[in-house]
Amino acid sequence: DQQVKQNSPSLSVQEGRISILNCDYTNSMFDYFLWYKKYPAEGPTFLISISSIKDKNEDGRFTVFLNKSAKHLSLHIVPSQPGDSAVYFCAASASTDKLIFGTGTRLQVFP
Amino acid sequence: DAGITQSPRHKVTETGTPVTLRCHQTENHRYMYWYRQDPGHGLRLIHYSYGVKDTDKGEVSDGYSVSRSKTEDFLLTLESATSSQTSVYFCATAPTAAGELFFGEGSRLTVL
Repeated sequence: DQQVKQNSPSLSVQEGRISILNCDYTNSMFDYFLWYKKYPAEGPTFLISISSIKDKNEDGRFTVFLNKSAKHLSLHIVPSQPGDSAVYFCAASASTDKLIFGTGTRLQVFP
Repeated sequence: DAGITQSPRHKVTETGTPVTLRCHQTENHRYMYWYRQDPGHGLRLIHYSYGVKDTDKGEVSDGYSVSRSKTEDFLLTLESATSSQTSVYFCATAPTAAGELFFGEGSRLTVL
């Protein structure tokens, strides 16, 4: 049973436009959410996080939105750049429990 | 300046042979994790450690064992490798139980 789902395996966006990556979860106990970015042949790197007491967190071009009632979070990248092309994983945890990762979305930003 | 190193980075082995992957950290993080990444499955937790000699199972622990004899090193052992264990393995560390994980660069294992 996949507790964290990324239903879009891939996304293609033009440079300069907005990229929106989505993530759904089923466990209502999750209270901390993270996004990781992964380039080929490298390990995932932390991008941005949000706790359940907030509904938005922003860091430069990256914004994460959390909708607890819908059990949904999204990552917005504005404006998208070719260097953003990577696989993005969302992850969630309940209190001090272990992180559960989604299956990932491959983002391609084209000129 | 990599604080987390995995070895070997690439390995090809035959079914039935034992394999050990090593994760070494210089971050002095208490928590260490082994994940595997497979297409369509994302990152799945194999085993983790919450201190020296303290380990526990993750969601896909069958066929794997771990050991942590000192803070810096976390070993993952495949006692008798199978083709289903062909994967990319990532080690991760964290200073606390909740929050951000720091990942190594991965070890690609192919079991023929």
